[in-house]
Amino acid sequence: QVQLVESGGGVVQPGRSLRLSCTASGFTFSDHAMHWVRQAPGKGLEWVSFISYDGTRKYYADSVKGRFTISRDSSRATLYLQMNSLRAEDTALYYCARDLTNFYSFDYWGLGTLVTVSS
Amino acid sequence: QSALTQPASVSGSPGQSITISCTGTSSDVGGYNYVSWYQQHPGKAPKLMIYEVSNRPSGVSNRFSGSKSGNTASLTISGLQAEDEADYYCTSFARSSTWVFGGGTTLTVL
Repeated sequence: QVQLVESGGGVVQPGRSLRLSCTASGFTFSDHAMHWVRQAPGKGLEWVSFISYDGTRKYYADSVKGRFTISRDSSRATLYLQMNSLRAEDTALYYCARDLTNFYSFDYWGLGTLVTVSS
Repeated sequence: QSALTQPASVSGSPGQSITISCTGTSSDVGGYNYVSWYQQHPGKAPKLMIYEVSNRPSGVSNRFSGSKSGNTASLTISGLQAEDEADYYCTSFARSSTWVFGGGTTLTVL
């Protein structure tokens, strides 16, 4: 069965960096595009970033463009999110989600990893 | 990248039908047939309920249906059940190859 497991969250000071990971299993990772989606405490969902199945196309929300970098390692079946210059408003539960090929939606989600930006 | 507009809350009694609207612009909902809907129970990850406006993934009850007219998409849940009580989010693919979510709607089953 499809499984996505996020890790790497924690408490970090404003302006610092953090790298999130999402380990995939139960499907051929290199066949699927992937996303990061976040949810601030008590708030709604916000799309963060997309990476194509082969890593050649990457897209970002305006709120993180220039600060966050998405990447993937198909040999490790792992998705990454490098987050630099973190701000208090980046505090959220970060989910990785698999792209439903050709339908621009998210068909499987992990349980999320919590990032707290605070001094 | 402005959020899509959803009602904050809707409610209905068991057995009734409810509809949740999701309003965007011609740059997102109105411009693409890539609207999807997600159900999220408290403390849980979101679950895909509808994709490409009106398609249901395998395993999702046929009580859930989706539609779109112009810049507004809708999710209808018929034969409401207690287990349907949750938050619901719409999302749409948008110009510049981004995705935009609605603010979410809390469904209460009375």
